[in-house]
Amino acid sequence: SAVISQKPSRDICQRGTSLTIQCQVDSQVTMMFWYRQQPGQSLTLIATANQGSEATYESGFVIDKFPISRPNLTFSTLTVSNMSPEDSSIYLCSVEGGSFTDTQYFGPGTRLTVL
Amino acid sequence: RKEVEQDPGPFNVPEGATVAFNCTYSNSASQSFFWYRQDCRKEPKLLMSVYSSGNEDGRFTAQLNRASQYISLLIRDSKLSDSATYLCVVDRGGSYIPTFGRGTSLIVHP
Repeated sequence: SAVISQKPSRDICQRGTSLTIQCQVDSQVTMMFWYRQQPGQSLTLIATANQGSEATYESGFVIDKFPISRPNLTFSTLTVSNMSPEDSSIYLCSVEGGSFTDTQYFGPGTRLTVL
Repeated sequence: RKEVEQDPGPFNVPEGATVAFNCTYSNSASQSFFWYRQDCRKEPKLLMSVYSSGNEDGRFTAQLNRASQYISLLIRDSKLSDSATYLCVVDRGGSYIPTFGRGTSLIVHP
């Protein structure tokens, strides 16, 4: 299985600021996903990040609020922009493809609290 | 109808019990089905894939019923360590973009 790391693991931020979350995988993967999981809820897909092309956003999520970079096959970032308390959540990256087709492996998540 | 529906529980069972979870999905074109396990304050981890013929992994059995569009997970001889949230995952059909159910909470007590 893939080894996925995320930074930071947690953060407490002020309203109106932005936070960039990094996701690093120990091998090359085709697709990377960014999810949000709010307390007591399941995972909601924010966007799919493919190397060499723009991210594909799900309904309700826009690039201005959640810009994503995917500079290579092992790394991606998600920025949560102009944060509000409603953005408080766990943000998870996951990978699929490469050697791990048809299943997903998740990073440990970033726990974000916005005051 | 939600894309993937699960009874949130919690299911509260004694050690050694057999417990079953169901999950229904709305997209008849879905091809890939999985059960994930999520421990408190941890990321989800793949428990098992669900195959058309059904599959078993130790105490865990997964089954798929395409006609009724549901999948199930059976856990036999429950252990305390089985306490977790079990997430049903189904692809959207046509492309591998997964949709997660809300999860079913299992509590196994002594």
